[in-house]
Amino acid sequence: QQPVQSPQAVILREGEDAVINCSSSKALYSVHWYRQKHGEAPVFLMILLKGGEQKGHEKISASFNEKKQQSSLYLTASQLSYSGTYFCGTEADNTGGFKTIFGAGTRLFVKA
Amino acid sequence: EAQVTQNPRYLITVTGKKLTVTCSQNMNHEYMSWYRQDPGLGLRQIYYSMNVEVTDKGDVPEGYKVSRKEKRNFPLILESPSPNQTSLYFCASAVRQGFNEQFFGPGTRLTVL
Repeated sequence: QQPVQSPQAVILREGEDAVINCSSSKALYSVHWYRQKHGEAPVFLMILLKGGEQKGHEKISASFNEKKQQSSLYLTASQLSYSGTYFCGTEADNTGGFKTIFGAGTRLFVKA
Repeated sequence: EAQVTQNPRYLITVTGKKLTVTCSQNMNHEYMSWYRQDPGLGLRQIYYSMNVEVTDKGDVPEGYKVSRKEKRNFPLILESPSPNQTSLYFCASAVRQGFNEQFFGPGTRLTVL
């Protein structure tokens, strides 16, 4: 089942912070985060494994609460280059192995 | 350069005319996958392959076929395309299935008239 992302879209001014949430109805083993700029392919940001580990990538970090089956992506002091669509991908144990199922995406626009 | 390539990048075709979208990776990855991207729906998996000669259905496999005869190639075949298969298609690969970064190809924009 597709994870639910919120918000669907957000507009920020340069320097502002944002949080993007991803929640699933299934028990998760991991959560991936990707960013897709307009007209380009999705690019990997980070993966969080079961265990509640928080990871960082420049000014972008994320947390994973496996009890709540949720992950949040934190963008601090946003830059113009952060604009794009952010996807979370969740992995739950399915028959035959792990499949990554992506959310519908959150569109982020950073303006000067 | 490590990459996933797709061809063609753009294709306009007519209903019922068989087509193949090629995907190739040069990273010796075991796992490959096809997704379609439609507005408001995100990336939905069509088929995936855990290794050579091992393929399985994703969430939206109807109307598509795949094969994995070589590790580097994973073509997507539309035997009889229909307008509802108009979409943006991405091929992706990873070291192996599960807990690994996926590398995406540049995408193929398909229009079926």
